Amino acid sequence: AQTVTQSQPEMSVQEAETVTLSCTYDTSESDYYLFWYKQPPSRQMILVIRQEAYKQQNATENRFSVNFQKAAKSFSLKISDSQLGDAAMYFCAYRNEKLTFGTGTRLTIIP
Amino acid sequence: GAVVSQHPSRVICKSGTSVKIECRSLDFQATTMFWYRQFPKQSLMLMATSNEGSKATYEQGVEKDKFLINHASLTLSTLTVTSAHPEDSSFYICSASPVVLTEKYQETQYFGPGTRLLVL
Repeated sequence: AQTVTQSQPEMSVQEAETVTLSCTYDTSESDYYLFWYKQPPSRQMILVIRQEAYKQQNATENRFSVNFQKAAKSFSLKISDSQLGDAAMYFCAYRNEKLTFGTGTRLTIIP
Repeated sequence: GAVVSQHPSRVICKSGTSVKIECRSLDFQATTMFWYRQFPKQSLMLMATSNEGSKATYEQGVEKDKFLINHASLTLSTLTVTSAHPEDSSFYICSASPVVLTEKYQETQYFGPGTRLLVL
């Protein structure tokens, strides 16, 4: 069974600074997808970024980028120029047949 | 694009009654929809995979007779919590993946806003 591990239950960052959230996963598959979802206090799950395992190039979406290390089974999220609206729970997720979530990292933005 | 709605957003019911939650994909068709449950300060746990026109596939430990799922069309799936009890109180979230769209949308699940269920 696939497992997703987020080792940082909580993180904080000064506004406008950069923060990196860690995620590792375990799988024997070679073809899969990885995601970062954000869940603000409203509890609406919002897609932040996605990565196809067959692509070596790291995905980027504006201020959000990932460091995908397939051999190490690592998928970290970097948020640049942090904004107050980035405060939320961030979930790393692995998808093969179904979506498996990590336990989440609560990100606090310090004004 | 890729918007999913849920109704109701919040429901309070008495123990022993049944509650139906609707999940709709508003601007795309979804052959498959998913139902999750989230306890406070915890991650999302997949309950079942809902397939249009066929029976849902339940995860281990999920009672299929308690959590009835119907996927009647490519844009609507319903979850009915039958004979609800206080331990069924939770946050229920659905998601859907577009049938076929551009590469950007494939394999991505889009989530509804969730339904908070409180059973008294």
